[in-house]
Amino acid sequence: GAGVSQTPSNKVTEKGKYVELRCDPISGHTALYWYRQSLGQGPEFLIYFQGTGAADDSGLPNDRFFAVRPEGSVSTLKIQRTERGDSAVYLCASSLTEAGPEQYFGPGTRLTVT
Amino acid sequence: AQSVSQHNHHVILSEAASLELGCNYSYGGTVNLFWYVQYPGQHLQLLLKYFSGDPLVKGIKGFEAEFIKSKFSFNLRKPSVQWSDTAEYFCAVTFFSGGYNKLIFGAGTRLAVHP
Repeated sequence: GAGVSQTPSNKVTEKGKYVELRCDPISGHTALYWYRQSLGQGPEFLIYFQGTGAADDSGLPNDRFFAVRPEGSVSTLKIQRTERGDSAVYLCASSLTEAGPEQYFGPGTRLTVT
Repeated sequence: AQSVSQHNHHVILSEAASLELGCNYSYGGTVNLFWYVQYPGQHLQLLLKYFSGDPLVKGIKGFEAEFIKSKFSFNLRKPSVQWSDTAEYFCAVTFFSGGYNKLIFGAGTRLAVHP
């Protein structure tokens, strides 16, 4: 079956611009997670959705970052006024339920802010 | 706070050498344990996982890991590495927090295997 997909695979944007990153989880998975992987580091948790609601957004670095999942399936991570420090690979994962325990990862979106 | 530590940031081995990568976590409750691999230019792939049962887990490509609960460890091993094992390896642990299994990654170990 289809895995987690993310679009675009690469995004180059100028400092100060707005970007949206999309995640399509595995069909039927109710839990969705976003992570950020900076160069040379492990993925860091950003936000967790259970259904349509953000159950844990404690990993979002600041209020320029926002994510939605309006219909409980596709999610969009939105970054306003991008900064060079936002450059990273943004990973999405989904699991069947909030209990997981296994999360299935997408290929990521590589964001470069110039 | 829960955390995952990987002791070696960079490891260099010759082909056929044995590999052991350390992973420790800090959490006294029930955990689920994972090792992921990221080959150059590729995305994360699951190598192996432990949920319960036999603490010695076998994964893909000849890798195995042993969960030692008393040491809060989940070390990754391979008896004989190949050049194609050159990659970055991430240990990850789920902690039940806030009503769900939260996944925390270690900082990763970059492995270079020389022919």
